[in-house]
Amino acid sequence: AQKVTQAQTEISVVEKEDVTLDCVYETRDTTYYLFWYKQPPSGELVFLIRRNSFDEQNEISGRYSWNFQKSTSSFNFTITASQVVDSAVYFCALGVNAGNNRKLIWGLGTSLAVNP
Amino acid sequence: DTAVSQTPKYLVTQMGNDKSIKCEQNLGHDTMYWYKQDSKKFLKIMFSYNNKELIINETVPNRFSPKSPDKAHLNLHINSLELGDSAVYFCASSQDASGAWRTDTQYFGPGTRLTVL
Repeated sequence: AQKVTQAQTEISVVEKEDVTLDCVYETRDTTYYLFWYKQPPSGELVFLIRRNSFDEQNEISGRYSWNFQKSTSSFNFTITASQVVDSAVYFCALGVNAGNNRKLIWGLGTSLAVNP
Repeated sequence: DTAVSQTPKYLVTQMGNDKSIKCEQNLGHDTMYWYKQDSKKFLKIMFSYNNKELIINETVPNRFSPKSPDKAHLNLHINSLELGDSAVYFCASSQDASGAWRTDTQYFGPGTRLTVL
């Protein structure tokens, strides 16, 4: 099976707290890609990061960081010192083979509420 | 400059009507997509076109017909609209999704909220 599991449906934190959003994936592909997207209340889908399966280096971008662990098939996302503007639904997605093409398998999303 | 644009942003219509949603990208990408996001935020791919050629066609009713006049445009026409078609429809594009060796990043339009009454 090829799937993405975001076990946390909703998370609520107080501003300045650190928060980690979990993403666990399953795939039979040996080469694959992982993505995180943000969907703020305004509704658009914003690309955050792409990672390929050969690159297990952790990534940091400002207050955002990503921890890719192939051994546990996880690609977790941490927001440090959360802010109200971080309130959004966050999606993890897996890029897999679809015949001769590729497509994204999406998680169900984690809704993050950051309260002042 | 808007990278991926969709019109209209909101569409309210009666059951049984036919409607279209337009999508344009100015990123020079070869591949375009249509997704449906239901009320629980579940994202489901519907179609994908690469250079005007259909490459992904998920299990979608025949009432939905995509049309790609050129690689910068992918329109979605829906016949005989049903209540269950109410959702947000997203258009997206990526550099090239053909071939099995890479997955390019998909960039999304702002979405079209379709309400069928």
